Amino acid sequence: AQTVTQSQPEMSVQEAETVTLSCTYDTSESDYYLFWYKQPPSRQMILVIRQEAYKQQNATENRFSVNFQKAAKSFSLKISDSQLGDAAMYFCAYKNYGQNFVFGPGTRLSVLP
Amino acid sequence: EAQVTQNPRYLITVTGKKLTVTCSQNMNHEYMSWYRQDPGLGLRQIYYSMNVEVTDKGDVPEGYKVSRKEKRNFPLILESPSPNQTSLYFCASSLRDRGSYGYTFGSGTRLTVV
Repeated sequence: AQTVTQSQPEMSVQEAETVTLSCTYDTSESDYYLFWYKQPPSRQMILVIRQEAYKQQNATENRFSVNFQKAAKSFSLKISDSQLGDAAMYFCAYKNYGQNFVFGPGTRLSVLP
Repeated sequence: EAQVTQNPRYLITVTGKKLTVTCSQNMNHEYMSWYRQDPGLGLRQIYYSMNVEVTDKGDVPEGYKVSRKEKRNFPLILESPSPNQTSLYFCASSLRDRGSYGYTFGSGTRLTVV
């Protein structure tokens, strides 16, 4: 069974600085998708960024980018120019070509003014 | 607006009193799923449905039931709730494709069983 690990239960970053959230996963499959979801205090789950495993190029969405290392099964999220609105719980998730969607335990990010 | 609607948003109930959390989506998604979120454990899948009348267990199905009589609705039923089912619940849906678009989530239901 696939597992997703986020080794940092909590992180903090100064406003305007850059922070990287770690995620590792375990799978025997070669084709899959990886996601980062943001959950602010409103508890809505918001898709931040996604990555197809067959693509070597790292995904980027404005201030959010990933470092996808397929061989190492690592999928970290980098947030540049951090803003107060980035404070949230962040979940890393793995999805295969079926409907098996597995989430990590989450990392709570605080942004300090 | 394309969305997944969950109700209620908050619910406090007593042990053993049957309850239903409703979930409805207006995107014609084939796939729907229920998750529970607990601190330090992330989201764990309870049940999922690939299409009408097709449901299957996720990782933590004990104590829950679901039904999928219509494509848009996927209610979660707790026949006899217990305190260990106190949690934050999410309904989610997606197209039944290769899954590249991830889920659309509802806004969550905070359930407390006393």
